[in-house]
This record gives sequence, structure tokens and C-alpha cells, in this order.
Amino acid sequence: GAGVSQSPRYKVAKRGQDVALRCDPISGHVSLFWYQQALGQGPEFLTYFQNEAQLDKSGLPSDRFFAERPEGSVSTLKIQRTQQEDSAVYLCASSLEGTSGGAGEQYFGPGTRLTVT
Amino acid sequence: GNSVTQMEGPVTLSEEAFLTINCTYTATGYPSLFWYVQYPGEGLQLLLKATKADDKGSNKGFEATYRKETTSFHLEKGSVQVSDSAVYFCALGKNYGGSQGNLIFGKGTKLSVKP
Repeated sequence: GAGVSQSPRYKVAKRGQDVALRCDPISGHVSLFWYQQALGQGPEFLTYFQNEAQLDKSGLPSDRFFAERPEGSVSTLKIQRTQQEDSAVYLCASSLEGTSGGAGEQYFGPGTRLTVT
Repeated sequence: GNSVTQMEGPVTLSEEAFLTINCTYTATGYPSLFWYVQYPGEGLQLLLKATKADDKGSNKGFEATYRKETTSFHLEKGSVQVSDSAVYFCALGKNYGGSQGNLIFGKGTKLSVKP
């Protein structure tokens, strides 16, 4: 594909609503990452998938956050009972696994800006 | 734990001025280091990277050298252009096996270049 795509680009949710954010990684990319970027800050890691396996979810801020990648391609980040502090840009990135042990490049999507009112 | 400390902005320069954005890191092991750039209205893009000590990453006239002795990866450009106006993020990535792992980012430095 042309790049990582995310939808929706903007989402306004009322406090307490559930939201689902979608990420379409670059075709063939094995690794998929979700990051949260608060206004004026750098992205912070949420969770990581290798194919369909969620290998690291240490960055998820609470049990209201849930991510899945059931077929090893598209991923969904779900936030239940949204709170105002969840307002941020949610970034998805994908990476082609390196075979030589080197650090591979992560390709970022445009992000979904979530505003909780 | 691992962390990245980045020079705070905003930074405003005139066209053709010299640019330095400082970045230092704290990490165990031997991380890879990156500079990402976010142009207005666009997503994060990799600008350059270095995977081991003394490596120099370079792209589009930007350079950064991985200095293990000073745990630094400062970004430099000899002559900035208006089109370089963007937010720059220094980042650290783990190096293990074939997986980069997640990135740890600095807070970002906003650069504005005036004509």
C-alpha cells in the first residue's frame, strides 16, 4: 500500500462513550505499534504486535484500553468509557521486521485526533 | 529506565543559519538512535538514524553522530531553509534480535525558519 492509514482522522466523543480507532499498516509489515501523543509532547508507546500476537502492552494506561490485530494486518485500538484525559492524537506505526538484527524503520500513519468532551 | 532529553523549543532561525538541536539519552545496552520530523499537517517521518556508537546518520543536509561517551545524538544542519520548518523528535529504539521494539521519544523541538 501507499503508506499507513488511520481512520477516523478526527473523533469527538462524549465522556463515557466507547471509541474504536483503526489502523491499516503497510502491506507485508509484520510489526505494528500504537502510540499516544498528547498536545506538545512526544509520542508515548502503548502497545506492540508482531503479526497477530500482542507482545507488549505495557504502555496501555488502563484496562479501558484494548488493542487487537486478529489477522495480523489491520489493528483496532478500543477505548472504553472515555475520559477527558484520553484526549490526544493516537498514532499507529508499522515496521518490516529486520532479519539481520538491525533497527528497522517505523512508518507512521497520520494519526487520529481524539477529543473527549 | 530508558529516556530521551531533547532541547526545548521553539527555535527560530533565519534562512541559511546553522542549526543544532541537542539530544541526550539514558539507556541500558546498545540502543539505536533516530531523528523523526513532523512537517505541518503531516505524519512523523524518519529523518535519519544511527545504530551503533560513532555512526553518523545523514539525510537532506541534516547530520547526527551517535556519541556513546557523551550519550548524545545532536542534530545539525549547516544552512537551514524555510522548508525545514517542522517539529523534530529525537528517539531511542531497543536493539534486540530482529525486532526494533518500541521507540522512546523526546518532547520535540519546533523549528521555525524565517526568510
